[in-house]
Amino acid sequence: EDQVTQSPEALRLQEGESSSLNCSYTVSGLRGLFWYRQDPGKGPEFLFTLYSAGEEKEKERLKATLTKKESFLHITAPKPEDSATYLCAVSESGGSNYKLTFGKGTLLTVNP
Amino acid sequence: DAGVIQSPRHEVTEMGQEVTLRCKPISGHDYLFWYRQTMMRGLELLIYFNNNVPIDDSGMPEDRFSAKMPNASFSTLKIQPSEPRDSAVYFCASSPQSGGSGYTFGSGTRLTVV
Repeated sequence: EDQVTQSPEALRLQEGESSSLNCSYTVSGLRGLFWYRQDPGKGPEFLFTLYSAGEEKEKERLKATLTKKESFLHITAPKPEDSATYLCAVSESGGSNYKLTFGKGTLLTVNP
Repeated sequence: DAGVIQSPRHEVTEMGQEVTLRCKPISGHDYLFWYRQTMMRGLELLIYFNNNVPIDDSGMPEDRFSAKMPNASFSTLKIQPSEPRDSAVYFCASSPQSGGSGYTFGSGTRLTVV
């Protein structure tokens, strides 16, 4: 069973059309939930870390929220430059476990 | 800071050959991670190091894969012998002790085994 499931796999929006990406996770204890952006041919780029249910983080047109079972990445009035694959990852609590388990990502395309 | 530096960017090799991927982490980062990315399986953790010591290698697919970190500024991932199913993008990432700001990834090595 996957620990991190992202949906949808792909999303196509018109410029200015707001939407949300979903990340559901199943871990015994959450150390942190991470969002990354990945452009073609590049490594993932860190966006946010969320630690507890109810927490929210914002950066420009992006806002990430967290509940006990899932996280949402809200994109408000997106622009074509927001097109990328968005990856969610979790780190489990306990010991010295710093490894991240990633979902397969959502490919976002924003058309002008 | 130049970020995490990986080399080569692209590698094409024949089945059965040895392949060595290289990584220079960000100075001062205590953790180093090797991931593999494919369309089918996404990003998979292969192995990670803390202060140059391997902590978890449970993701290494088989004995053909090995990784070393001889010092704080250099790591290698070796595949011997390589097989077509090893074709993927291999990422190195590093992180400070706190981990709160996530990893910093390199640009990856695209490996093609023919």
